[in-house]
Amino acid sequence: SQQGEEDPQALSIQEGENATMNCSYKTSINNLQWYRQNSGRGLVHLILIRSNEREKHSGRLRVTLDTSKKSSSLLITASRAADTASYFCATDSGSARQLTFGSGTQLTVLP
Amino acid sequence: EAGVVQSPRYKIIEKKQPVAFWCNPISGHNTLYWYLQNLGQGPELLIRYENEEAVDDSQLPKDRFSAERLKGVDSTLKIQPAELGDSAVYLCASSLDVTGDTQYFGPGTRLTVL
Repeated sequence: SQQGEEDPQALSIQEGENATMNCSYKTSINNLQWYRQNSGRGLVHLILIRSNEREKHSGRLRVTLDTSKKSSSLLITASRAADTASYFCATDSGSARQLTFGSGTQLTVLP
Repeated sequence: EAGVVQSPRYKIIEKKQPVAFWCNPISGHNTLYWYLQNLGQGPELLIRYENEEAVDDSQLPKDRFSAERLKGVDSTLKIQPAELGDSAVYLCASSLDVTGDTQYFGPGTRLTVL
């Protein structure tokens, strides 16, 4: 079963624009992680935000976490064609420390 | 540093045949994971190993799936017999430990069952 739900399911933007993806989850978490997956490849870890953090930056990535709303957002600024990929949020919750992935957002950046 | 290695990358078999996937995690990573990923979905955990011990296999269909991690390094995942619904990508990942640390994924094995 998948705990997280990404929104939108698909997003198409022009190069240079910002892309925002949202993730909602159901149970309390220890941390939330975002991963990227290029077509036919494995997942690549982008950023981890802990439950006591509200915002985190890494290069062109900005992640926010609102534990009261059980939601997170991933912002990619100044997007590039190479950012085209599927983006997944994954929650680490409970004592089992198991990552549960959402169904992903397919981002297409048009050159 | 070499990443997580998986083989084969692609496998096509007929239903009822057996199939095996192999994973070599990043050196020094104690925790190893096998995930199943259906088209358009996120990965779903099948089994997690801490060293050579399977500590979470609640999602592994034990009637046809089996896994092992001998000596706490390489791992194999086997399906016998395969069914049409097993067609998916099988991902292996590893992490230093299980404390919610970053997981590093291999490229996956795409299985097609005809």
